[in-house]
Amino acid sequence: EPEVTQTPSHQVTQMGQEVILRCVPISNHLYFYWYRQILGQKVEFLVSFYNNEISEKSEIFDDQFSVERPDGSNFTLKIRSTKLEDSAMYFCASRAEGSQYFGPGTRLLVL
Amino acid sequence: SQQGEEDPQALSIQEGENATMNCSYKTSINNLQWYRQNSGRGLVHLILIRSNEREKHSGRLRVTLDTSKKSSSLLITASRAADTASYFCPSQGTGTALIFGKGTTLSVSS
Repeated sequence: EPEVTQTPSHQVTQMGQEVILRCVPISNHLYFYWYRQILGQKVEFLVSFYNNEISEKSEIFDDQFSVERPDGSNFTLKIRSTKLEDSAMYFCASRAEGSQYFGPGTRLLVL
Repeated sequence: SQQGEEDPQALSIQEGENATMNCSYKTSINNLQWYRQNSGRGLVHLILIRSNEREKHSGRLRVTLDTSKKSSSLLITASRAADTASYFCPSQGTGTALIFGKGTTLSVSS
């Protein structure tokens, strides 16, 4: 069964560094998402992407964040200058027929 | 708040028992999805029920939807230790983004 995949599974970075989190959505899906979950807290929506542009974003998704679909398979989330509070699990999801399917997540730790 | 609210917050049962968790939401919906999250892991899509459906089954899962009461329930029959997880029924905002609540934490002991 097709799955959303994410790399890396874990990322440790220094505050102020740029990170890129990668996702491969399910191949025939058209809507893509990033969510995050700070340890012990709720899953929070960051951004949705459709037809090569952002369709919706939350207040969390500020100028430090960007998304890109550089080719036909990858979907990336870039954090330009990481902060301590960006430490979280980041989930990618893709959607078809109303259902969103999540990847296993990337655990980001900012030191 | 637009998020779905799961109830109870925590549920502890023995293996073999049934587990029922409930969800209430505030806005009208086209469909409702249930997810499972094992500790520290990803979100697994369990089932989607559409607004014109009242009940749906998938293996040991049974989901009901009452749009007049804006509520849904998830029943897990003959629970197993592997069902230990948090369960969510996120609502949908104005777009397609999912808004998650705190979930129901289910603990199944053997």
